Amino acid sequence: DAGVIQSPRHEVTEMGQEVTLRCKPISGHNSLFWYRQTMMRGLELLIYFNNNVPIDDSGMPEDRFSAKMPNASFSTLKIQPSEPRDSAVYFCASSLAPRTGSLAYEQYFGPGTRLTVT
Amino acid sequence: GENVGLHLPTLSVQEGDNSIINCAYSNSASDYFIWYKQESGKGPQFIIDIRSNMDKRQGQRVTVLLNKTVKHLSLQIAATQPGDSAVYFCAENTPTREDTDKLIFGTGTRLQVFP
Repeated sequence: DAGVIQSPRHEVTEMGQEVTLRCKPISGHNSLFWYRQTMMRGLELLIYFNNNVPIDDSGMPEDRFSAKMPNASFSTLKIQPSEPRDSAVYFCASSLAPRTGSLAYEQYFGPGTRLTVT
Repeated sequence: GENVGLHLPTLSVQEGDNSIINCAYSNSASDYFIWYKQESGKGPQFIIDIRSNMDKRQGQRVTVLLNKTVKHLSLQIAATQPGDSAVYFCAENTPTREDTDKLIFGTGTRLQVFP
């Protein structure tokens, strides 16, 4: 069992550039979550999908952030244009939720992508 | 310069002692609670969960207690080991509307185990 896979593990980019973070959830899981972790704000849920459909994106900070899940085994989180305040660790997690939109089940986290925007 | 960030409360315990990590949650409608452990440079790792219809649940060396009256959650670790050193997060799940939930993480507590 490979667990949740995220790439890249580290990303350093210049302000204004587009950044794409990638996630492969655990096979068979039907829910996928994107989180951001910073020293200032802790761990924040940005968006989550159930059966590839976005359920709640109220945590996405602004229009520069977008997330897609084209199929059950892949999701992307894109920031365009990136800003220094986007520097954080971004985690992807997945779970097997028995009902749409449910968060009330164990989530398995990936190792995270550390993003630095200069 | 230095980042002014969240000041994590720290619990220091001696190896072999029991640890108790506390968490106050915010919403009385929350129906599910989770404890996660995060080691440096890694993603959060699930430890144990509990639903609101229970007040206690035990795992291997860990026990979670839920007091809904005062909206308090605690994680007890028996015979704490050096490998338990990490930041521990509680999270609460609140139903917001039909078929959607909201998951809120606490700020975390750092557990330091010394020999």
